[in-house]
Amino acid sequence: DSGVTQTPKHLITATGQRVTLRCSPRSGDLSVYWYQQSLDQGLQFLIQYYNGEERAKGNILERFSAQQFPDLHSELNLSSLELGDSALYFCASSVASAQETQYFGPGTRLLVL
Amino acid sequence: GQNIDQPTEMTATEGAIVQINCTYQTSGFNGLFWYQQHAGEAPTFLSYNVLDGLEEKGRFSSFLSRSKGYSYLLLKELQMKDSASYLCAVRENVVLTGGGNKLTFGTGTQLKVEL
Repeated sequence: DSGVTQTPKHLITATGQRVTLRCSPRSGDLSVYWYQQSLDQGLQFLIQYYNGEERAKGNILERFSAQQFPDLHSELNLSSLELGDSALYFCASSVASAQETQYFGPGTRLLVL
Repeated sequence: GQNIDQPTEMTATEGAIVQINCTYQTSGFNGLFWYQQHAGEAPTFLSYNVLDGLEEKGRFSSFLSRSKGYSYLLLKELQMKDSASYLCAVRENVVLTGGGNKLTFGTGTQLKVEL
């Protein structure tokens, strides 16, 4: 158990819908990261927040957005969902921003029907 | 950008030693990580190299050669529970990311340990 928590564990929804995934970092960690893992793409970096501010961005779609709140938990919002958005979404956290090891949460499995 | 290559699959025998290779090309290198991932579960941190050489951690060791863009993960005394996917990940130079901590992952090497 890494200490990173994610909810929900599983999510089934329909195309065109919007969902919110939640992540709580390890105690004391200021950075959170979001990754998408699909069968054909591997683990893809989406975005990083550090102490409430966006710090690094990957190939995150415009339909996706994230934020980190004052209590350091983070939410990833996915809208206008498509079948291809079905994937495992992982959150990771680290103590600081640039030089730390990232520890991953258990993930949210999203299925878009 | 970054490009990371790992073998797709490997098979080894319980009790043996296996070496999983990773080659990378990057515009700005700032460290290489190895993670273990069992199917449907979270990646688990195994090792980190930022300087050339070997890092040893129990049954696991990782090697890095920055000039060759090459790393390997060595697993000794293989156990059945070591059957998993092993992910090589490269961290970009912090200057390129504006102070961020962006990891680019390879597609992973699926290791099967047999009796």
